[in-house]
Amino acid sequence: GENVEQHPSTLSVQEGDSAVIKCTYSDSASNYFPWYKQELGKRPQLIIDIRSNVGEKKDQRIAVTLNKTAKHFSLHITETQPEDSAVYFCASPGLGTTDSWGKLQFGAGTQVVVTP
Amino acid sequence: ETGVTQSPTHLIKTRGQQVTLRCSSQSGHNTVSWYQQALGQGPQFIFQYYREEENGRGNFPPRFSGLQFPNYSSELNVNALELDDSALYLCASSLANLWGDETQYFGPGTRLLVL
Repeated sequence: GENVEQHPSTLSVQEGDSAVIKCTYSDSASNYFPWYKQELGKRPQLIIDIRSNVGEKKDQRIAVTLNKTAKHFSLHITETQPEDSAVYFCASPGLGTTDSWGKLQFGAGTQVVVTP
Repeated sequence: ETGVTQSPTHLIKTRGQQVTLRCSSQSGHNTVSWYQQALGQGPQFIFQYYREEENGRGNFPPRFSGLQFPNYSSELNVNALELDDSALYLCASSLANLWGDETQYFGPGTRLLVL
């Protein structure tokens, strides 16, 4: 099945700086790569996702890049603000077998702390 | 908010007991996936229900079972509770497609504590 590795586990940035989180995946058939933000005690919230037919997608201060050859994708947050502080998870469905169809395999998460 | 709801929000049980958690999917969605999230970890896939049938299962024992109803809501049942079952249980609803890349939207979760 799919294996997703996420780095770093923690990331401290100054307000206004950029943050980058990287994930690698193992299943070359994977075609969908969402990113979720989870604030303490709350549900994971989808912030951006990318499908394999594009290499980059942006939404205001957030962007995701995908390199299918190297099997990695990254989340980029620019002009960070204190409200960006949360745990961020990457995920991938892993479509190598029908048993994994639609099943999201999550990374271990990155705790992002934005200090004013 | 996603429109996905879960009940109850919190639950305390003792070892050996049974628990039922409920999830109402977002309007227009036909698929519900269940995840277990232990403290400090990412969500782990338990199983998925599509058209009232289990459609994929993660590495969880048979004492984890589920149901999906005609209105696409779903239940997660856990028998013979163990201390390690203490976690946040999340359901996610989605609209299934032919490519397996449907977006999943999470409910607020049920926090289960097993004593």
